[in-house]
Amino acid sequence: DADVTQTPRNRITKTGKRIMLECSQTKGHDRMYWYRQDPGLGLRLIYYSFDVKDINKGEISDGYSVSRQAQAKFSLSLESAIPNQTALYFCATSGISGGAADTQYFGPGTRLTVL
Amino acid sequence: RKEVEQDPGPFNVPEGATVAFNCTYSNSASQSFFWYRQDCRKEPKLLMSVYSSGNEDGRFTAQLNRASQYISLLIRDSKLSDSATYLCVVNRFNQAGTALIFGKGTTLSVSS
Repeated sequence: DADVTQTPRNRITKTGKRIMLECSQTKGHDRMYWYRQDPGLGLRLIYYSFDVKDINKGEISDGYSVSRQAQAKFSLSLESAIPNQTALYFCATSGISGGAADTQYFGPGTRLTVL
Repeated sequence: RKEVEQDPGPFNVPEGATVAFNCTYSNSASQSFFWYRQDCRKEPKLLMSVYSSGNEDGRFTAQLNRASQYISLLIRDSKLSDSATYLCVVNRFNQAGTALIFGKGTTLSVSS
């Protein structure tokens, strides 16, 4: 089984709809992240969480919210989806382990299309 | 200056070629450096960490020059399976802790 899973893998929705993307991990990591990837823009950080009680905004948090329901679960919500939120969304996790500090492990991604 | 800057390519090389990618970063306080590989429409995966002394993993060699804030990745004897986008990644410290900053990637296409 994959260590980091994302659901759904693909989603088409309409402008104005609320949607939630979910991420679960079995790696036992405390740190979780949400990124979006757009062609030509690379990966951009939306939100991140260093433990269950810690939530931090990334560089492009406007229009998004998150919830860290448990150590293993981190969900991303679009309260009112708009077309420019069409992108590939990745969840990632990391732990601190000697020289491998900060290494991030990614889920398979959710392809979101907002019409 | 962008936090992490890479030549986007594409680099088109024949099998067996040696190819080098370069990356510069702007934050002199960065302490962790990585190369990730991303296949089309797939998630990024760690290729290798980059250490000050330089490190090698099979056909891949990574080097770091802190004075010049420069990271490189050398791929020897390129294989068709090396075709992918290579992301240069550095960490950034902030009030909450650290976060990783990803370059936009360099695309490699290896042909037979």
